[in-house]
Amino acid sequence: GQQVMQIPQYQHVQEGEDFTTYCNSSTTLSNIQWYKQRPGGHPVFLIQLVKSGEVKKQKRLTFQFGEAKKNSSLHITATQTTDVGTYFCAASYNQGGKLIFGQGTELSVKP
Amino acid sequence: NAGVMQNPRHLVRRRGQEARLRCSPMKGHSHVYWYRQLPEEGLKFMVYLQKENIIDESGMPKERFSAEFPKEGPSILRIQQVVRGDSAAYFCASSLRRDRGREQYFGPGTRLTVT
Repeated sequence: GQQVMQIPQYQHVQEGEDFTTYCNSSTTLSNIQWYKQRPGGHPVFLIQLVKSGEVKKQKRLTFQFGEAKKNSSLHITATQTTDVGTYFCAASYNQGGKLIFGQGTELSVKP
Repeated sequence: NAGVMQNPRHLVRRRGQEARLRCSPMKGHSHVYWYRQLPEEGLKFMVYLQKENIIDESGMPKERFSAEFPKEGPSILRIQQVVRGDSAAYFCASSLRRDRGREQYFGPGTRLTVT
């Protein structure tokens, strides 16, 4: 079935360092979304990427969608303690509303 | 504008009992999705419903699990004869339309513990 691989599973950084998480699919994606889940919380929508090669920025966060629409990345510049949480990519294929989530990358930030 | 509401937030059941999880979508949203999250894992799609219709139940276990979204009232995820392996967080999400890529708004989840 459809699967989205996300790496790394964990990332521990010092405050101020950068952070990147990657998602890969073996098949072409219709679009990809990114969510953040704080410990004990629920997923919160961050952004959606639709176009091949698309790059979007939200303050210190940069999201990219690969040219072949099979991979995506989230990069955080100069992490802060408020960035702590698990970041999930979620893929949409040509099947309507269902989202296929990656395994998530848990980010911890040491002050 | 109230967000997605789920209740109960925490539910403890003994093996063999039934669990009923409720979800009220955001106002104006008619598409509901249920996901399950096991400890230290990502979210797994279970079922997608519209009012009175199951659109996609490809992620639902074949036995003991059922879902509905009646014309009036919340969506219900029902687990009969729970087992320890059903212990997980169950999240409901809603969206405005079923368009591919429409963002989904998640509720706070129901943490089910089976003892």
